[in-house]
Amino acid sequence: DAKTTQPPSMDCAEGRAANLPCNHSTISGNEYVYWYRQIHSQGPQYIIHGLKNNETNEMASLIITEDRKSSTLILPHATLRDTAVYYCGRGSGGYQKVTFGIGTKLQVIP
Amino acid sequence: AAGVIQSPRHLIKEKRETATLKCYPIPRHDTVYWYQQGPGQDPQFLISFYEKMQSDKGSIPDRFSAQQFSDYHSELNMSSLELGDSALYFCASSSHQRTSGRAGANVLTFGAGSRLTVL
Repeated sequence: DAKTTQPPSMDCAEGRAANLPCNHSTISGNEYVYWYRQIHSQGPQYIIHGLKNNETNEMASLIITEDRKSSTLILPHATLRDTAVYYCGRGSGGYQKVTFGIGTKLQVIP
Repeated sequence: AAGVIQSPRHLIKEKRETATLKCYPIPRHDTVYWYQQGPGQDPQFLISFYEKMQSDKGSIPDRFSAQQFSDYHSELNMSSLELGDSALYFCASSSHQRTSGRAGANVLTFGAGSRLTVL
């Protein structure tokens, strides 16, 4: 399965927006984009998902390019508790698995 | 709300021993997934079960087997353990949904993981 690609690490100042990019250039038409985060070695925590349209929930916003080859997760006002590894994943929905990339380690700096 | 329960949380084994990890999904979730995460690695999909039948298989060694029982809990059995099997093992569950005949998004809920150390 083709994996997504993400920058290995990013820094963000506390209170500023964190923009985490993800490349999924080989994504197929029925595959969703999923974002999870993992704090320390805890279980990955679901953040948001999308198919074609941009999405927003109480945690974050997801911007998907028109060609669906890439997306950006936006944390509008990063806090120190947002320091984590953020995984961008893809999957066909239904009961299909989610395949993750290597993730971006986000460090929120005071 | 009830979450995905994994046991044991920590397990230490010697090489060539066997280990069994258990996973109790969220009530009414019909699909269970197992992932393996080595140090500094992303979670790697091992195997999944939908309605007690194997639905997909990833990079799971032949030494490993898994099943989902009638109460939907799942067990991952690992035999002839090797040093390289030391990892975090996550179980996730989801509820299969279809919307207007098309598969809806599959949001996985992960457990806290089981840390296996092979000495």
